[in-house]
Amino acid sequence: RKEVEQDPGPFNVPEGATVAFNCTYSNSASQSFFWYRQDCRKEPKLLMSVYSSGNEDGRFTAQLNRASQYISLLIRDSKLSDSATYLCVVNPLSGGYNKLIFGAGTRLAVHP
Amino acid sequence: DTGVSQDPRHKITKRGQNVTFRCDPISEHNRLYWYRQTLGQGPEFLTYFQNEAQLEKSRLLSDRFSAERPKGSFSTLEIQRTEQGDSAMYLCASSVSGDRLEAFFGQGTRLTVV
Repeated sequence: RKEVEQDPGPFNVPEGATVAFNCTYSNSASQSFFWYRQDCRKEPKLLMSVYSSGNEDGRFTAQLNRASQYISLLIRDSKLSDSATYLCVVNPLSGGYNKLIFGAGTRLAVHP
Repeated sequence: DTGVSQDPRHKITKRGQNVTFRCDPISEHNRLYWYRQTLGQGPEFLTYFQNEAQLEKSRLLSDRFSAERPKGSFSTLEIQRTEQGDSAMYLCASSVSGDRLEAFFGQGTRLTVV
């Protein structure tokens, strides 16, 4: 089983739609969680951290469910510029050392 | 520009040659990570430094790969006797210490082995 798993998509949605991505992780001791966005042939960029209580940043809402070991990202009122790959990232804190483990990403395509 | 800087941006090399990449992290960041990414995949962890200490190295990293961060500032990643399977984007990221771990990436070095 992969440490971080995501539905690869693509999710094809019209402008203005609401879309949600889920991500599951295997290590129950994982400490920190993030969503990154990656445009084609560019580096990943931090979109938002994911807090236990859930957090919102404009049109983006992230939630963490530790019991079920999944993270979600909700995008409301999708824009054309939201088209990208969304990477779920987990710090498993294995061996006492910090590193970030990435999922393979979920592709989002927003069309007019 | 105070972001993570990587050099070169692109490298084409013949199979069997050695290549070295450089990463300059954000100046106040003491953690530095190297990742490799191939098409359609997420970044794959290679190794991690805290200051000058290399704390973890992926089992996926063969003996042909070596990384250094001699003064706890910039880092180099060397690949010896390159193979076609080494063709990928090599990404460097840095972060501060502590619990939050938000990491910021450089633009990457795209390696093509011919």
